[in-house]
Amino acid sequence: AQSVTQLGSHVSVSEGALVLLRCNYSSSVPPYLFWYVQYPNQGLQLLLKYTSAATLVKGINGFEAEFKKSETSFHLTKPSAHMSDAAEYFCAVSPPNSGNTPLVFGKGTRLSVIA
Amino acid sequence: GAVVSQHPSRVICKSGTSVKIECRSLDFQATTMFWYRQFPKQSLMLMATSNEGSKATYEQGVEKDKFLINHASLTLSTLTVTSAHPEDSSFYICSARDKKAGTSPNEQFFGPGTRLTVL
Repeated sequence: AQSVTQLGSHVSVSEGALVLLRCNYSSSVPPYLFWYVQYPNQGLQLLLKYTSAATLVKGINGFEAEFKKSETSFHLTKPSAHMSDAAEYFCAVSPPNSGNTPLVFGKGTRLSVIA
Repeated sequence: GAVVSQHPSRVICKSGTSVKIECRSLDFQATTMFWYRQFPKQSLMLMATSNEGSKATYEQGVEKDKFLINHASLTLSTLTVTSAHPEDSSFYICSARDKKAGTSPNEQFFGPGTRLTVL
């Protein structure tokens, strides 16, 4: 069974500071990994995804994440936080060729950006 | 990119009535759609997996007679909350997988969600 752990239910950073949201996964096979963002009262929007190609993945809005197999991690980073980055972030995992199997989500991390 | 719509975006109903929520994939065909429920400040809770032309697979603890799911076509799935009660009030989100998964393997495209309030 696959699972995802997001360390820190709430992260607060100053505007312009580095954003680091942590995600560790558990999987018996090399997984596919995703980061989604959710703004209040909205659905989830894909930020980026890892599907066994390059280990450093660049996404939208200046975010990127690095797949580290040795650490079973897929942490999300952004060099400089913007007020508009304040939202809920979800890490998700699935096995390759999962067919009808849904993504397994972490509990989410709420990012606050302080002016 | 792939777009998923939900209708309505917000609904308020009286206790005891039934409410239908539609989930549509607008520019792709979805063999599989998923329905989630989300409580305030919490993660998504998978309710059921819906495949076109077959019965939905419900997660443990989800009442299939209360949450009726129909996936009649490759672009439409509906969730009907029957005899709704205040405890059914929540944010319901659907997602869909593209039948042509080549460029987006395993990715789920999410709808904007439906806020249900039962009085």
